[in-house]
Amino acid sequence: AQSVTQLDSQVPVFEEAPVELRCNYSSSVSVYLFWYVQYPNQGLQLLLKYLSGSTLVESINGFEAEFNKSQTSFHLRKPSVHISDTAEYFCAVSLSGGYQKVTFGTGTKLQVIP
Amino acid sequence: KAGVTQTPRYLIKTRGQQVTLSCSPISGHRSVSWYQQTPGQGLQFLFEYFSETQRNKGNFPGRFSGRQFSNSRSEMNVSTLELGDSALYLCASSLGPAGTQYFGPGTRLLVL
Repeated sequence: AQSVTQLDSQVPVFEEAPVELRCNYSSSVSVYLFWYVQYPNQGLQLLLKYLSGSTLVESINGFEAEFNKSQTSFHLRKPSVHISDTAEYFCAVSLSGGYQKVTFGTGTKLQVIP
Repeated sequence: KAGVTQTPRYLIKTRGQQVTLSCSPISGHRSVSWYQQTPGQGLQFLFEYFSETQRNKGNFPGRFSGRQFSNSRSEMNVSTLELGDSALYLCASSLGPAGTQYFGPGTRLLVL
């Protein structure tokens, strides 16, 4: 079975500073990887995903994540954060193929400080 | 396209009661998954339905059950509610198994 670990439960960062949210997964077979964001009192929204192909994936709001198979990581980065990025971020993994449940990490709360 | 809708948005129940939550997926999506989110346990997978059949199940007691209808709408039922069932219940739909999941706003359940 696959698993995912988010190493930091909370990450405070000043506005306009860069940020990296860490995610490591465990699986012996091919996986799909996702980052979701949850704003207060809302459901989860897909931020970006890796299914295959280029290992660097980007979102429309400036986030990017790189799939690193050798390090089994899928860290999320943004070069300059904004107050509106304050939210909880979840990394998720599923085995490639059909009928595979998605396993979520425990989440990282990003607190952007003005 | 309309997003995933969940009803009701908020519920207050007492211990021992039962509750039914509803989820309408995005049009054309045939897979529906349910999750329980709590501050202590995070996001935990409950079950996934595809074409009216349960395809995957998480580690929850039998008090938690679900079903999917021919129009892909899904319901989740929790019987004999316990205080620990208080949580945000999220529904997600996808085109098919292992597809990208799109989440609804959730149903917040409070058990007193």
